[in-house]
Amino acid sequence: AQKITQTQPGMFVQEKEAVTLDCTYDTSDPSYGLFWYKQPSSGEMIFLIYQGSYDQQNATEGRYSLNFQKARKSANLVISASQLGDSAMYFCAMRERSNDYKLSFGAGTTVTVRA
Amino acid sequence: NAGVTQTPKFQVLKTGQSMTLQCAQDMNHNSMYWYRQDPGMGLRLIYYSASEGTTDKGEVPNGYNVSRLNKREFSLRLESAAPSQTSVYFCASIRGLSTDTQYFGPGTRLTVL
Repeated sequence: AQKITQTQPGMFVQEKEAVTLDCTYDTSDPSYGLFWYKQPSSGEMIFLIYQGSYDQQNATEGRYSLNFQKARKSANLVISASQLGDSAMYFCAMRERSNDYKLSFGAGTTVTVRA
Repeated sequence: NAGVTQTPKFQVLKTGQSMTLQCAQDMNHNSMYWYRQDPGMGLRLIYYSASEGTTDKGEVPNGYNVSRLNKREFSLRLESAAPSQTSVYFCASIRGLSTDTQYFGPGTRLTVL
């Protein structure tokens, strides 16, 4: 069964606007972590933000915030004030304590920022 | 501090050839991982090493072998390459705490003809 689902293959967003990337996950482990990575066209994997299952508040890192809805098993990434350099593939990933903390990745969402 | 390094960056093989992808990290991390990324897809775990001296299979281990040479180095070997192994290979490492993110190498783009 798919552990991480990203339903948006591609999105367009206007420069300076906000964009939300959807991510839902499936786990029965009470201890898990959720990650978002950015992969620009150059290919490297860049860590953006982390949310732990026991964290009470939504994670934020600069222009990135994670909308964590635990009951819905949802961990959407919000990018505020989009910039041209935000154009990239974005991956949601999950690590479960019961799975030796190995990362499971979603299929990714391609974001294209328009000037 | 180079982080996670991988060699080579690009490689072209013929079906049946063998090769070893090298990975090293200088962050004193305990756990290391090998992933593959196929076009338009997320990363899938091939093998991992939770600590020096241990290795375990991931989601797609067939056709690969690994060696955790020491704490710094984790190599991936293709004994008899197949076109289905054409992919981008990423090595990653993590200190070991549950809150830590994985640090990724730059990737190796492998083509098997």
